[in-house]
Amino acid sequence: KNEVEQSPQNLTAQEGEFITINCSYSVGISALHWLQQHPGGGIVSLFMLSSGKKKHGRLIATINIQEKHSSLHITASHPRDSAVYICAVLTGYALNFGKGTSLLVTP
Amino acid sequence: DGGITQSPKYLFRKEGQNVTLSCEQNLNHDAMYWYRQDPGQGLRLIYYSQIVNDFQKGDIAEGYSVSREKKESFPLTVTSAQKNPTAFYLCASRPLVGLEPQHFGDGTRLSIL
Repeated sequence: KNEVEQSPQNLTAQEGEFITINCSYSVGISALHWLQQHPGGGIVSLFMLSSGKKKHGRLIATINIQEKHSSLHITASHPRDSAVYICAVLTGYALNFGKGTSLLVTP
Repeated sequence: DGGITQSPKYLFRKEGQNVTLSCEQNLNHDAMYWYRQDPGQGLRLIYYSQIVNDFQKGDIAEGYSVSREKKESFPLTVTSAQKNPTAFYLCASRPLVGLEPQHFGDGTRLSIL
């Protein structure tokens, strides 16, 4: 059983919609990452958080340590947001990854 | 600009052949990692290293080997013992002190001929 579960697995949205991707984990963590992977395969770190909320542009990430849950929100979505979004938790020295959420934003 | 360089971008392996994937970083990070990504699955840890000349097995180390002779370099060898090597391989690094995110390379896609 994967220690990190993401939902939904796939998501299609129209440009301008508000998007939420969820991540639940079952282990103690020191931090949680949200990553973005584009079709070419490269991965970019969007956020790393251990409590509360972080915002960067149209992206917002929240985490509830007690409930072992995090959400990634995209406001005013745009086709260039189309990518796979991956949740990963830091336990010890390595990351445990969710399977990713594939997002497609259509014009 | 600092970053992680993986090469080659695409690699083909013949049956019974060992191949080596390169990973170089100029971020002065102590820790380096190798992950494998298969379709529909999350990234899985192959090996990691926190210091030169030391490394530890991850969840799926069988059929792989690594070395860490220099801080900047962490090459991964896919041996002939790895029976299903076709996958996307990602290298990452981070400092050991502080909560800085891992930095990732652009990956190497390995296929079997």
